This record gives sequence, structure tokens and C-alpha cells, in this order.
Amino acid sequence: DAKTTQPNSMESNEEEPVHLPCNHSTISGTDYIHWYRQLPSQGPEYVIHGLTSNVNNRMASLAIAEDRKSSTLILHRATLRDAAVYYCIPFGSGAGSYQLTFGKGTKLSVIP
Amino acid sequence: DTGVSQDPRHKITKRGQNVTFRCDPISEHNRLYWYRQTLGQGPEFLTYFQNEAQLEKSRLLSDRFSAERPKGSFSTLEIQRTEQGDSAMYLCASSLGGQGGYTFGSGTRLTVV
Repeated sequence: DAKTTQPNSMESNEEEPVHLPCNHSTISGTDYIHWYRQLPSQGPEYVIHGLTSNVNNRMASLAIAEDRKSSTLILHRATLRDAAVYYCIPFGSGAGSYQLTFGKGTKLSVIP
Repeated sequence: DTGVSQDPRHKITKRGQNVTFRCDPISEHNRLYWYRQTLGQGPEFLTYFQNEAQLEKSRLLSDRFSAERPKGSFSTLEIQRTEQGDSAMYLCASSLGGQGGYTFGSGTRLTVV
């Protein structure tokens, strides 16, 4: 499994953009980059994933470096409900891929 | 469909007792996964099923842990002779193949006293 490095914690003011970084320098060429988040007392929640191009959905944007060794999850306007632990996970796309390997993630605090 | 359901949400048991947790996945999802999460750590993979077949079980923590998915729908995770170290959150997830995102349930929190 590719190793990931994320900050232990980050803070953001409410309604400000948040950029959550992740380094995954050993990612394989076919692994997608998945992001999940986990709110307190909940199971993880899928946020977004991408391979090479930047991706957008209703929850967030994902910016992937050209060399794919890092990526950034962007929350455009942080709300109090975005306070959670965010996990960056390289994950294969083939039928043989099944195990999400979670690290410790980044704990995001949102200040009102 | 309201997502992945887990029952019970909380379980307190005495050391040495057996416990069983249930997971109901999203109905059209053919894959079902069990994870364990201890305080301050990310979830840890235990096992997974594709339909009724258990395709990976080497990560189950000991032979006291077993899982079933008898008809390819709901699944159960059983822990026999519980120990205090088994205290954790047990999470279930489901997916359609290996694509896209996994949907997790809210988990069962086990406390062994």
C-alpha cells in the first residue's frame, strides 16, 4: 500500500476555503486518490476521488499534482458541519482492489 | 434505501461472552466489508464479501472473530470469548464492485467490561 502523509490537524474559520494536503509519493500509476471524512460518532463518508485530472463534486474539489505525488482536498466554504477527520487514501480501480487503508487523517476544526 | 444499517449501535458485554453484530448493506451493493476502529486511529480492515463469498479473511484479528453473509444480503460479525482489547467501534461498509465510493454504516460500539 502507498504511504500517505497528512497534517495531524488544521483549523479554519467558518465560510473560509480550506485546503487539506496529502502527500502520497509512492502511489502506483493506476491508483486513484480517494478522500473520506469521518464526523464524530459516525462512520467514514466518501467525499471524492480522482486519478489525474482535478475533480469537482457538490461536496468538494480535488486538485492532483501533475506528478501525482500529492493532492489537495478543497472545501470552498467551510461550515461547522465540515468539522471532521479527513482521510486521503490511494486505492486501485481493479476488481481485485477491496481494502481501504486508513491512516490517522487530518482533524479539521472549524471556528465560528 | 437509507444506506448501510448496523445493529446494535452500542453493546456492553462481560469479558468471555460472545457477541454478534449485524449489518444490512445497500440492497444493490454486492460487496460488504467489516472494519474495526479503536480510539484515535483510522478504521482497520477485517474482512470482505462479494455476494455470499468471503474473499478475504486473513485480516480477522484472531480465530475468535468470524463473519458470515449467508444469502449475499445482510452480514453478521461474531466475536467469541470477548476480551477487553476487543473494545472498539466495528464498522460495516458496502459497495458496488470496487468502483467509486464505499458507503459506511454508523458502526457498533463494543465495550467489554
